[in-house]
Order: sequence, then structure tokens, then C-alpha cells
Amino acid sequence: QSALTQPASVSGFPGQSITISCTGTSSDVGGYNSVSWYQQYPGKAPKLMIYDVNNRPSGVSTRFSGSKSGNTASLTISGLQADDEADYYCCSFASSNTQAFGGGTRLTVL
Amino acid sequence: EVQLLESGGTFVQPGGYLRLTCTASGFTFSSYAMAWVRQAPGKGLEWVASVSYNGADTQYTESVRGRFTISRDNSKSTVSLQMGGLRDEDTAVYYCAKVLQPRRISTPYFDYWGRGTLVTVSS
Repeated sequence: QSALTQPASVSGFPGQSITISCTGTSSDVGGYNSVSWYQQYPGKAPKLMIYDVNNRPSGVSTRFSGSKSGNTASLTISGLQADDEADYYCCSFASSNTQAFGGGTRLTVL
Repeated sequence: EVQLLESGGTFVQPGGYLRLTCTASGFTFSSYAMAWVRQAPGKGLEWVASVSYNGADTQYTESVRGRFTISRDNSKSTVSLQMGGLRDEDTAVYYCAKVLQPRRISTPYFDYWGRGTLVTVSS
């Protein structure tokens, strides 16, 4: 089981939009519509932001959206805010009934 | 309010054993699969294991299969992770997590997490 590939870091100015990619294979991201995204602040537990590729749990801002094309899933954050600065992880169902996380992306709000 | 409280993390030598327990409250525990996810110091998240709502089905990541056992006691609203043959690379904060949708196990959707418990494996 290999971790999904995410950029180590992304950055943007307040008000801008940023996109974080998550690349896998046909055995995980590309093979199933079971992708989620998590936000994690330092020293805190992760928070579910997106599930089923593009669904938001109750209470998550509409500024967060997800998509998928082929073996790559993406998280887009629009109207960037200071408190969006955090680590973001993608996660996908994978063959053999396992779950694979991405390596994580550090978002910096400039 | 959903609460998950992990316990059992400590310092242990390589090859040793440890049992982690997560006590849940605030939801119908017996209707949801549960999982353990770990995070090594300064590293990313790694799914470790999941157990179905009734305990009949378990799933593991390759690196712990045969060494770790996940189980649950629905009468006590607890899920446990029995860890054996511990290695340096098992050092991590271990989070207990609730699966989003009832009666589903094979899903990467974890909507509630505990605060984590630290396991340190070192000689």
C-alpha cells in the first residue's frame, strides 16, 4: 500500500482560491468514488472536510469543494481565510479493502 | 455530543506488547464501524485498522497485519487495538475514529476523532 501523492506545500493570499491535488492509481483514487479530505491543525485531531469526492459534512463551509478526474482528486478552497492555514490530507478507499492517505499538504495563507 | 477517548499509550521496548482502548459516547456505538489511524512524529496520517459495527469483519494495513488485532465490545462502547511485535516505526500518536455512515466498514470517511494517545517504541 503506497501513500497517495500530494504537494508538500501550497500557498495563497486571503481571498484567493487554491487547489490541492491528490494523485493515486487505478487501484485507489481512479478506481473508486471514495475519496475524502481532512484538515488538521498542529497538535489537533483531523477534521473531515469532504467525503464521497465532493460532499461536505454538515457544518463545513461551502468554500471547500472536491473533485476527481482519473487518478487525481482535488480539494479547492475558495475565498482563502487566515484560519484555513493547516495541513490537508486526502484519503481513498483502495483495493483489498484498505484505506490510503496522502502524504499531506501544508497550506500557508500569505 | 460524540466523544472518543483513547487510553493505553506509553513507552515500550521493541518486540513488546501494548493494548490501546477507545471509549465512545454520544452516539449509537453498535451501529458504526470504528478505526485506528496513526501519525508518526512530524509525519502524515496512516490508516491502521478498521472493525465492522458488529465486530465480525476486520481490516488492516499491510505493515501491521499479523501483529495487531482490532476488536470491539459493544456492551461497553469500546474499541481496542492489541499491538504485538512492536517496532520503532510503530511509534506514533494513535487516533480512534468513528466511521461516518452506519453499518459501513470499507470507507475512508471518519467524522469523529479522539485526541490520540502516544505510543513510543524504543530501546
